[in-house]
Amino acid sequence: DTAVSQTPKYLVTQMGNDKSIKCEQNLGHDTMYWYKQDSKKFLKIMFSYNNKELIINETVPNRFSPKSPDKAHLNLHINSLELGDSAVYFCASSQVGLSPLHFGNGTRLTVT
Amino acid sequence: KNQVEQSPQSLIILEGKNCTLQCNYTVSPFSNLRWYKQDTGRGPVSLTIMTFSENTKSNGRYTATLDADTKQSSLHITASQLSDSASYICVVLTGNQFYFGTGTSLTVIP
Repeated sequence: DTAVSQTPKYLVTQMGNDKSIKCEQNLGHDTMYWYKQDSKKFLKIMFSYNNKELIINETVPNRFSPKSPDKAHLNLHINSLELGDSAVYFCASSQVGLSPLHFGNGTRLTVT
Repeated sequence: KNQVEQSPQSLIILEGKNCTLQCNYTVSPFSNLRWYKQDTGRGPVSLTIMTFSENTKSNGRYTATLDADTKQSSLHITASQLSDSASYICVVLTGNQFYFGTGTSLTVIP
């Protein structure tokens, strides 16, 4: 069973469109995250949610909005997509303490 | 400023050889340090987690070391295999915030 699953795996869209990426974890973790990985493979945190509460927001544009319907899901909505949004987006989850981050396999977003 | 720096940026080695990857950090206060392996097209997967009191931890052919005084960690890979080709990322946790290194891209050639 996939611990952290995100869909879609690939997303190609045009500038100005609105899109969503879904993420689900079945590990019972209390915190979920969204990371952006740029072309240089650097992972940068965008958001994290702990018990439905946003606890980190690394000054990402407000076109990006996380939505957590429940503890097991953290979806990422992106409005008015721009060329610079092209990247791989990773969802992750963890439990407070020594639990490592568990990552999904990423969503490669290409904005044309 | 909290930072995590890794070296080398990329590395090519022959199958069967050993290699060592470095991680230096300025993150404070320190909670723990983790090494992740990221295969192409996949998400990072945890290799080891090291706390302040741990100096060495092994996971199969992977051995991580930590010197909390000098704020340095290394990941040693023994008898490399083709499947070790990946990016290796050092992550330091402080409080509830993770700081990621830029990674080392390792290529193992036959």
